[in-house]
Amino acid sequence: AQSVTQLDSQVPVFEEAPVELRCNYSSSVSVYLFWYVQYPNQGLQLLLKYLSGSTLVKGINGFEAEFNKSQTSFHLRKPSVHISDTAEYFCAVSDRGSGGSNYKLTFGKGTLLTVNP
Amino acid sequence: DGGITQSPKYLFRKEGQNVTLSCEQNLNHDAMYWYRQDPGQGLRLIYYSQIVNDFQKGDIAEGYSVSREKKESFPLTVTSAQKNPTAFYLCASKGGYTEAFFGQGTRLTVV
Repeated sequence: AQSVTQLDSQVPVFEEAPVELRCNYSSSVSVYLFWYVQYPNQGLQLLLKYLSGSTLVKGINGFEAEFNKSQTSFHLRKPSVHISDTAEYFCAVSDRGSGGSNYKLTFGKGTLLTVNP
Repeated sequence: DGGITQSPKYLFRKEGQNVTLSCEQNLNHDAMYWYRQDPGQGLRLIYYSQIVNDFQKGDIAEGYSVSREKKESFPLTVTSAQKNPTAFYLCASKGGYTEAFFGQGTRLTVV
């Protein structure tokens, strides 16, 4: 069984400050990892994904994340945030296995990022 | 444009009624999902389907039903057995090893 823990439910920061949103996962097999962003009353939009290769993954809107297998983490970072980055962010994991196990996608409970002027 | 369409955007249900939420995709994805979102709870999986005419229960399937008669469509029925249906419902689709794509959601309110 998979699980995802987002360590902070809320993260307030000032505009132009750096931010890190933390995500740890648990799985008995190798995984794919994702970060999504959700603006109020909208669906989820993919920020970035780790499938294989380089452990540092760059996404849209200046976000990046680093996969750390030994620490089972996939933390999201941005060096300088904007007011428009205010949203909820979700970390998600799916198994690398073939067949049915690959299709199940498990989400964390989300981190609300609030960027203040 | 390719994508996922959920309808309606807002839905009101009276006590004891069944209601059906629509989800259509034109991405040619095999897998489709329904999630329920409540404040502070993240996304909880209701049902998912990997192929036409087949679906599996997720973590909170009680009080919900689905069908998958066509690859493009995965409607969710919220039955009267669901005692607390007020929530934001999200449909998603996924093609193999890629990421999931989401619709814009349906907000269901019991009146």
